[in-house]
Amino acid sequence: QVQLQESGPGLVKASETLSLTCTVSGDSIRRDFWNWIRQSPGKGLEWIGYVHYSGSTNYNPSLESRLTISLDRSKNQFSLRLSSVTAADTAVYYCARGTDHGDYRPYLDPWGLGTRVTVSS
Amino acid sequence: DIQLTQSPSFLSASIGDRITVTCRASQGISSHLAWYQKTPGKAPKLLIYAASSLQSGVPSRFSGSGSGTDFTLTISSLQPEDFATYYCQQLNHYPFTFGGGTKVEIK
Repeated sequence: QVQLQESGPGLVKASETLSLTCTVSGDSIRRDFWNWIRQSPGKGLEWIGYVHYSGSTNYNPSLESRLTISLDRSKNQFSLRLSSVTAADTAVYYCARGTDHGDYRPYLDPWGLGTRVTVSS
Repeated sequence: DIQLTQSPSFLSASIGDRITVTCRASQGISSHLAWYQKTPGKAPKLLIYAASSLQSGVPSRFSGSGSGTDFTLTISSLQPEDFATYYCQQLNHYPFTFGGGTKVEIK
Protein backbone atom coordinates (compact mmCIF):
# COMPACT_ATOMS: atom_id res chain seq x y z
CA GLN A 1 0.00 0.00 0.00
CA VAL A 2 1.39 3.35 -1.04
CA GLN A 3 1.78 5.91 1.73
CA LEU A 4 3.02 9.47 1.67
CA GLN A 5 4.13 11.45 4.70
CA GLU A 6 4.98 15.12 4.87
CA SER A 7 7.66 16.44 7.23
CA GLY A 8 9.19 19.79 7.99
CA PRO A 9 9.11 22.71 10.42
CA GLY A 10 5.72 23.81 11.65
CA LEU A 11 6.84 27.39 12.10
CA VAL A 12 8.73 29.55 9.62
CA LYS A 13 9.64 33.21 9.94
CA ALA A 14 8.42 35.68 7.40
CA SER A 15 10.88 36.33 4.53
CA GLU A 16 12.60 32.97 5.10
CA THR A 17 12.37 29.76 3.07
CA LEU A 18 9.87 27.01 3.78
CA SER A 19 11.23 23.51 3.17
CA LEU A 20 9.09 20.38 3.28
CA THR A 21 9.80 16.77 2.41
CA CYS A 22 7.42 14.02 1.34
CA THR A 23 8.56 10.46 2.03
CA VAL A 24 7.00 7.82 -0.21
CA SER A 25 6.68 4.21 0.92
CA GLY A 26 5.23 1.27 -0.98
CA ASP A 27 5.98 2.78 -4.40
CA SER A 28 8.88 4.18 -6.32
CA ILE A 29 9.15 7.83 -7.31
CA ARG A 30 10.70 6.57 -10.55
CA ARG A 31 7.27 6.86 -12.15
CA ASP A 32 4.23 9.15 -11.95
CA PHE A 33 3.89 12.79 -10.93
CA TRP A 34 4.65 14.01 -7.41
CA ASN A 35 2.52 16.93 -6.26
CA TRP A 36 2.18 19.51 -3.54
CA ILE A 37 -1.17 21.03 -2.60
CA ARG A 38 -2.06 23.41 0.23
CA GLN A 39 -5.10 24.65 2.09
CA SER A 40 -4.98 28.01 3.84
CA PRO A 41 -7.13 28.55 6.95
CA GLY A 42 -10.76 28.87 6.00
CA LYS A 43 -10.01 28.53 2.30
CA GLY A 44 -10.12 25.88 -0.36
CA LEU A 45 -7.43 23.71 -1.86
CA GLU A 46 -4.67 25.18 -4.02
CA TRP A 47 -2.51 23.09 -6.34
CA ILE A 48 1.12 24.20 -5.89
CA GLY A 49 2.86 22.11 -8.52
CA TYR A 50 4.46 18.80 -9.37
CA VAL A 51 7.70 17.14 -10.29
CA HIS A 52 7.51 14.35 -12.86
CA TYR A 53 9.61 11.24 -12.27
CA SER A 54 11.81 12.44 -15.15
CA GLY A 55 12.63 15.55 -13.14
CA SER A 56 10.53 17.98 -15.17
CA THR A 57 8.31 20.32 -13.21
CA ASN A 58 5.11 22.30 -13.55
CA TYR A 59 4.32 25.07 -11.08
CA ASN A 60 1.35 27.25 -10.27
CA PRO A 61 2.25 30.65 -11.82
CA SER A 62 1.10 32.37 -8.63
CA LEU A 63 4.03 30.74 -6.78
CA GLU A 64 6.50 29.96 -9.55
CA SER A 65 8.98 32.75 -8.85
CA ARG A 66 9.49 31.48 -5.28
CA LEU A 67 9.06 27.74 -5.75
CA THR A 68 11.25 24.68 -6.29
CA ILE A 69 9.99 21.08 -6.26
CA SER A 70 12.58 18.36 -6.63
CA LEU A 71 13.17 14.63 -6.34
CA ASP A 72 15.63 12.68 -4.20
CA ARG A 73 15.60 9.27 -5.87
CA SER A 74 18.10 7.78 -3.43
CA LYS A 75 15.72 8.42 -0.52
CA ASN A 76 12.45 7.95 -2.43
CA GLN A 77 11.45 11.45 -1.39
CA PHE A 78 10.45 14.67 -3.04
CA SER A 79 10.59 18.14 -1.59
CA LEU A 80 9.19 21.64 -1.75
CA ARG A 81 11.08 24.88 -1.18
CA LEU A 82 9.15 28.14 -1.05
CA SER A 83 11.21 31.28 -0.55
CA SER A 84 10.34 34.70 0.87
CA VAL A 85 7.30 33.42 2.72
CA THR A 86 4.61 35.69 4.13
CA ALA A 87 1.56 35.16 6.33
CA ALA A 88 -0.36 34.26 3.16
CA ASP A 89 1.71 31.07 2.96
CA THR A 90 0.32 29.82 6.27
CA ALA A 91 -1.51 26.60 5.39
CA VAL A 92 -1.74 22.85 5.68
CA TYR A 93 0.57 21.42 3.02
CA TYR A 94 -0.20 18.07 1.41
CA CYS A 95 1.84 15.88 -0.86
CA ALA A 96 0.17 13.50 -3.31
CA ARG A 97 1.02 11.11 -6.11
CA GLY A 98 -0.45 11.96 -9.50
CA THR A 99 -1.23 9.00 -11.73
CA ASP A 100 -2.28 8.98 -15.38
CA HIS A 101 -5.39 6.83 -15.78
CA GLY A 102 -5.20 6.86 -19.55
CA ASP A 103 -6.04 10.47 -20.41
CA TYR A 104 -2.59 11.90 -19.69
CA ARG A 105 -3.76 13.70 -16.54
CA PRO A 106 -2.20 13.16 -13.09
CA TYR A 107 -5.13 12.40 -10.82
CA LEU A 108 -4.11 12.73 -7.18
CA ASP A 109 -4.07 9.55 -5.13
CA PRO A 110 -2.99 8.85 -2.49
CA TRP A 111 -2.40 11.96 -0.43
CA GLY A 112 -0.47 12.44 2.77
CA LEU A 113 -2.18 13.53 5.97
CA GLY A 114 -0.79 17.02 5.60
CA THR A 115 1.49 19.16 7.71
CA ARG A 116 0.52 22.51 9.18
CA VAL A 117 2.90 25.39 8.53
CA THR A 118 2.57 28.77 10.20
CA VAL A 119 4.48 31.80 9.02
CA SER A 120 5.32 34.10 11.89
CA SER A 121 6.27 37.73 11.74
CA ASP B 1 -7.11 30.29 -14.37
CA ILE B 2 -10.21 28.13 -14.69
CA GLN B 3 -12.73 28.74 -11.93
CA LEU B 4 -14.74 25.84 -10.55
CA THR B 5 -17.99 26.69 -8.78
CA GLN B 6 -19.46 24.01 -6.57
CA SER B 7 -23.03 23.99 -5.32
CA PRO B 8 -24.32 23.78 -2.76
CA SER B 9 -21.47 24.80 -0.46
CA PHE B 10 -23.25 23.13 2.42
CA LEU B 11 -25.71 20.24 2.42
CA SER B 12 -27.60 18.68 5.30
CA ALA B 13 -28.83 15.13 4.68
CA SER B 14 -29.85 11.89 6.40
CA ILE B 15 -28.45 8.37 6.26
CA GLY B 16 -29.83 6.67 3.16
CA ASP B 17 -30.49 9.91 1.26
CA ARG B 18 -29.46 10.35 -2.36
CA ILE B 19 -27.47 13.54 -2.82
CA THR B 20 -26.02 15.39 -5.78
CA VAL B 21 -23.21 17.94 -5.81
CA THR B 22 -22.56 20.04 -8.88
CA CYS B 23 -19.36 21.58 -10.21
CA ARG B 24 -19.40 24.17 -12.99
CA ALA B 25 -16.25 25.21 -14.84
CA SER B 26 -15.68 28.73 -16.16
CA GLN B 27 -14.69 27.22 -19.52
CA GLY B 28 -14.77 23.79 -21.09
CA ILE B 29 -12.50 21.18 -19.53
CA SER B 30 -13.51 18.10 -21.56
CA SER B 31 -13.79 15.24 -19.06
CA HIS B 32 -10.63 16.07 -17.13
CA LEU B 33 -12.29 16.37 -13.75
CA ALA B 34 -11.77 14.59 -10.44
CA TRP B 35 -13.78 14.41 -7.22
CA TYR B 36 -12.13 14.07 -3.81
CA GLN B 37 -13.47 13.40 -0.32
CA LYS B 38 -11.87 15.18 2.62
CA THR B 39 -12.58 14.08 6.18
CA PRO B 40 -10.99 15.68 9.27
CA GLY B 41 -7.94 13.75 10.41
CA LYS B 42 -7.73 11.69 7.23
CA ALA B 43 -5.89 12.14 3.98
CA PRO B 44 -8.03 13.42 1.11
CA LYS B 45 -9.23 10.56 -1.09
CA LEU B 46 -9.78 10.31 -4.84
CA LEU B 47 -13.31 9.11 -5.60
CA ILE B 48 -13.85 9.78 -9.30
CA TYR B 49 -11.42 10.53 -12.14
CA ALA B 50 -12.02 11.49 -15.75
CA ALA B 51 -15.43 12.82 -14.68
CA SER B 52 -17.15 9.44 -14.42
CA SER B 53 -14.63 6.67 -13.66
CA LEU B 54 -14.78 5.15 -10.19
CA GLN B 55 -11.40 4.92 -8.46
CA SER B 56 -10.46 1.41 -7.40
CA GLY B 57 -11.75 0.56 -3.92
CA VAL B 58 -14.38 3.31 -3.83
CA PRO B 59 -17.93 2.08 -3.10
CA SER B 60 -20.28 1.92 -6.06
CA ARG B 61 -22.77 4.27 -4.37
CA PHE B 62 -20.50 7.08 -5.62
CA SER B 63 -20.87 8.12 -9.26
CA GLY B 64 -19.85 11.03 -11.44
CA SER B 65 -21.10 12.45 -14.70
CA GLY B 66 -20.69 15.37 -17.04
CA SER B 67 -18.34 16.86 -19.58
CA GLY B 68 -17.48 20.30 -20.88
CA THR B 69 -18.49 22.72 -18.14
CA ASP B 70 -21.07 20.92 -16.00
CA PHE B 71 -20.38 17.97 -13.73
CA THR B 72 -22.11 16.12 -10.91
CA LEU B 73 -21.13 13.83 -8.07
CA THR B 74 -23.93 11.62 -6.78
CA ILE B 75 -24.04 9.46 -3.66
CA SER B 76 -26.95 7.07 -4.07
CA SER B 77 -27.44 6.20 -0.40
CA LEU B 78 -25.53 8.21 2.20
CA GLN B 79 -23.62 6.22 4.77
CA PRO B 80 -22.21 7.52 8.08
CA GLU B 81 -18.67 7.55 6.70
CA ASP B 82 -19.75 9.80 3.80
CA PHE B 83 -20.23 12.89 5.93
CA ALA B 84 -17.27 14.91 4.71
CA THR B 85 -16.29 17.75 2.41
CA TYR B 86 -16.17 17.06 -1.33
CA TYR B 87 -14.01 18.92 -3.83
CA CYS B 88 -13.87 18.87 -7.61
CA GLN B 89 -10.60 19.52 -9.44
CA GLN B 90 -9.98 20.28 -13.10
CA LEU B 91 -6.88 18.90 -14.81
CA ASN B 92 -7.51 20.21 -18.31
CA HIS B 93 -5.57 23.47 -18.05
CA TYR B 94 -2.61 24.56 -15.97
CA PRO B 95 -2.69 25.56 -13.21
CA PHE B 96 -4.92 22.78 -11.96
CA THR B 97 -7.67 24.27 -9.80
CA PHE B 98 -10.17 23.06 -7.21
CA GLY B 99 -13.74 23.98 -6.46
CA GLY B 100 -14.59 25.64 -3.16
CA GLY B 101 -15.93 22.46 -1.59
CA THR B 102 -19.28 21.06 -0.49
CA LYS B 103 -19.64 20.11 3.14
CA VAL B 104 -22.11 17.28 3.74
CA GLU B 105 -23.43 17.12 7.27
CA ILE B 106 -25.89 14.96 9.13
CA LYS B 107 -29.42 16.33 9.34
